Amino acid sequence: QKEVEQDPGPLSVPEGAIVSLNCTYSNSAFQYFMWYRQYSRKGPELLMYTYSSGNKEDGRFTAQVDKSSKYISLFIRDSQPSDSATYLCAMSGETSGSRLTFGEGTQLTVNP
Amino acid sequence: EAQVTQNPRYLITVTGKKLTVTCSQNMNHEYMSWYRQDPGLGLRQIYYSMNVEVTDKGDVPEGYKVSRKEKRNFPLILESPSPNQTSLYFCASNPDSVTDTQYFGPGTRLTVL
Repeated sequence: QKEVEQDPGPLSVPEGAIVSLNCTYSNSAFQYFMWYRQYSRKGPELLMYTYSSGNKEDGRFTAQVDKSSKYISLFIRDSQPSDSATYLCAMSGETSGSRLTFGEGTQLTVNP
Repeated sequence: EAQVTQNPRYLITVTGKKLTVTCSQNMNHEYMSWYRQDPGLGLRQIYYSMNVEVTDKGDVPEGYKVSRKEKRNFPLILESPSPNQTSLYFCASNPDSVTDTQYFGPGTRLTVL
């Protein structure tokens, strides 16, 4: 069983829709939760991170972590065609270093 | 420009022929990593390095070697490639914390026949 589960999609929504992306995990040692965005033929780039449980907002993006349920979410409001990409969740049990466990990624298409 | 470079970008080789994929970063980052990305499996960490001469295994280290003799370079070595190592490989670097942006290279698409 994978440590991090993420529905690969694909997910297709109309422009302006609210998008919800989710991951579940099994390792209770995970403390740091990140969302990466990967455009086609590019490397991933960090969108947001959250420490422990709670919400974090950055413009149209909101990240939520529920450690009791081992469930994290990324919401995209007023989605744009430029948001079309693969979104990967990533997690770590330590703050220092580069030890990350990624989800499979969800492919999102926002249609004009 | 801050960047991570990888070479080659594309490589087709045959089983058993040793190869090296180079990775270099110009940001003086302490940490560097190698990942492979496969459909249905996502991004998996192969090896990572915390500093010069300090490396550790990630989730899928079998069949790979790395070295970190200089801070800026972190080559990935496949001593005897096999078809199951056909994949898209990414090198990444980050300053310190896992919550810092990991700067990813452009990727190397490797095919082992």
